[in-house]
Amino acid sequence: SQTIHQWPATLVQPVGSPLSLECTVEGTSNPNLYWYRQAAGRGLQLLFYSVGIGQISSEVPQNLSASRPQDRQFILSSKKLLLSDSGFYLCAWSVLGVQFFGPGTRLTVL
Amino acid sequence: DQQVKQNSPSLSVQEGRISILNCDYTNSMFDYFLWYKKYPAEGPTFLISISSIKDKNEDGRFTVFLNKSAKHLSLHIVPSQPGDSAVYFCAATLNSGGSNYKLTFGKGTLLTVNP
Repeated sequence: SQTIHQWPATLVQPVGSPLSLECTVEGTSNPNLYWYRQAAGRGLQLLFYSVGIGQISSEVPQNLSASRPQDRQFILSSKKLLLSDSGFYLCAWSVLGVQFFGPGTRLTVL
Repeated sequence: DQQVKQNSPSLSVQEGRISILNCDYTNSMFDYFLWYKKYPAEGPTFLISISSIKDKNEDGRFTVFLNKSAKHLSLHIVPSQPGDSAVYFCAATLNSGGSNYKLTFGKGTLLTVNP
């Protein structure tokens, strides 16, 4: 069966520091991968998606970037965090239109 | 422009009764709809989906109804249980629109099932 991992589970970072969140998927090949953010009291906002290694599409202009160095690895990064980057970050993979989400990372920028 | 709308931020029902969660969409090109359930500090869990060629799909206690003319779908939970208390997200996609399967989510409805 397929599983999706995210780490870390929680992270507290100062403004201006770098960020690296990692997501890996097991049990499937060449999945579509996604990064979402859920800000407090809001819905799920799609940040990036990837249909293959090295292929990244950005949905919204922002302070973040994504990379897919391996087939089942998806990384969300920032060079300098802003206060507005705080939120709950979710990685997902999809098959046949259904997306399956990881456990999420709670990021607090102080 | 919010293409998927869940106009009720919260809903409270008694255990054993029916919960009805509503969702409206504006993009008539959407052809696949999904419901997710989310507990605090966890990722959303896929519940049930429906293709635009159907008007009903049932899975145990969960039934999704689709009214394409009204651009409206609803999730019925019968009977409701306290463990169903969570945020429910409606999502839509252009399933036939390519391989990326991007989902557009509503803002969610917090369901509370009281014992």
